[in-house]
Amino acid sequence: GEDVEQSLFLSVREGDSSVINCTYTDSSSTYLYWYKQEPGAGLQLLTYIFSNMDMKQDQRLTVLLNKKDKHLSLRIADTQTGDSAIYFCAERRAGTALIFGKGTTLSVSS
Amino acid sequence: GAVVSQHPSWVICKSGTSVKIECRSLDFQATTMFWYRQFPKQSLMLMATSNEGSKATYEQGVEKDKFLINHASLTLSTLTVTSAHPEDSSFYICSASIGGSTGNTIYFGEGSWLTVV
Repeated sequence: GEDVEQSLFLSVREGDSSVINCTYTDSSSTYLYWYKQEPGAGLQLLTYIFSNMDMKQDQRLTVLLNKKDKHLSLRIADTQTGDSAIYFCAERRAGTALIFGKGTTLSVSS
Repeated sequence: GAVVSQHPSWVICKSGTSVKIECRSLDFQATTMFWYRQFPKQSLMLMATSNEGSKATYEQGVEKDKFLINHASLTLSTLTVTSAHPEDSSFYICSASIGGSTGNTIYFGEGSWLTVV
């Protein structure tokens, strides 16, 4: 199976919170990342978390990490239409490149 | 602003020709860069790790003779798709980390759309 798994779609209303979930498999992963990709564009780094942390907050974004369950989540507070995009979770093992999930398409309706 | 830049953003080439894509790190030196490809509505697949001054490391299943990678300077890596075919049409994207291969902040270029006709 995939090394990193994400649900494929999430639909929310403007103003609500969005929670995107991700599971990974390698317990030795050092950092875990969230990227945003808009149609036809490259990847925008949103945030990352070191594996010895369990939470990181950055403005509207909150990342939660459950290392025991190898579960990562990204919460977007007060979701806006401009947040509509594909969100990729990625894990980085020591000294290697990123391993990506398939991406979660977030659709925000007004 | 962008810290990793790719060029060109879009390229159309004829089947059988070669095309070069550049990846530049802006304002920092990148001894290691990574090349990915992404098919429509799919995830990013790592193709190779580009190492400055040495040979690239290719992932399993990636043809090294078809996808030539050159990392001649600390700010530039190039990917050349040789004898391109329509099935090579894809979105190619590179990344580099600030802090070298162990740096934790990884930035991606804007990506390059390749269409082979």
